[in-house]
Amino acid sequence: DSGVTQTPKHLITATGQRVTLRCSPRSGDLSVYWYQQSLDQGLQFLIHYYNGEERAKGNILERFSAQQFPDLHSELNLSSLELGDSALYFCASSVGRGSVYEQYFGPGTRLTVT
Amino acid sequence: AQKITQTQPGMFVQEKEAVTLDCTYDTSDQSYGLFWYKQPSSGEMIFLIYQGSYDEQNATEGRYSLNFQKARKSANLVISASQLGDSAMYFCASLKTSYDKVIFGPGTSLSVIP
Repeated sequence: DSGVTQTPKHLITATGQRVTLRCSPRSGDLSVYWYQQSLDQGLQFLIHYYNGEERAKGNILERFSAQQFPDLHSELNLSSLELGDSALYFCASSVGRGSVYEQYFGPGTRLTVT
Repeated sequence: AQKITQTQPGMFVQEKEAVTLDCTYDTSDQSYGLFWYKQPSSGEMIFLIYQGSYDEQNATEGRYSLNFQKARKSANLVISASQLGDSAMYFCASLKTSYDKVIFGPGTSLSVIP
């Protein structure tokens, strides 16, 4: 158990819908990262938040947005869902930003868009 | 741009033998970190080992060691005394300290044969 929690574990929804994925980092970790893992794209970095502020963006679509709240939990919002958004979405947390620290991953949320 | 290459899509190893999983990276940064993660069939991402670009000694964590050759830009993972539970996907990843973007390689599927 990495100490990172993600809810829900599975999510099935229809095209065009909007969903929210939730992540709680390990106690004491200020950084939260979101990743998307799909068969065709592999593991892709989406976005990084540090202590409530966005710090880095990767291959995140405009239909996707995220935020980190004062209690450090983070939410990833996916809207206007398409079939291609079906993937495993991971959240990871680490101690800080700038210096390199290992990231601990949550169990993931498996999103299926039908 | 940073890129991680893992040239072995799949590998087999006999139980109790050692195995090396290859990883090469492409970066012009002076400061960076290299990681290996394990993803069993259950889907979770498990942190295994970390090597900083300025670390002079190769990182070791139990049966895992990282063969870091900076001049060749390689960071191979060595697993000693393979166990059946080591069967999984293994991902090499790098982190640019200044921008916090984590780049993952395509992964290597390791199968341990009894």
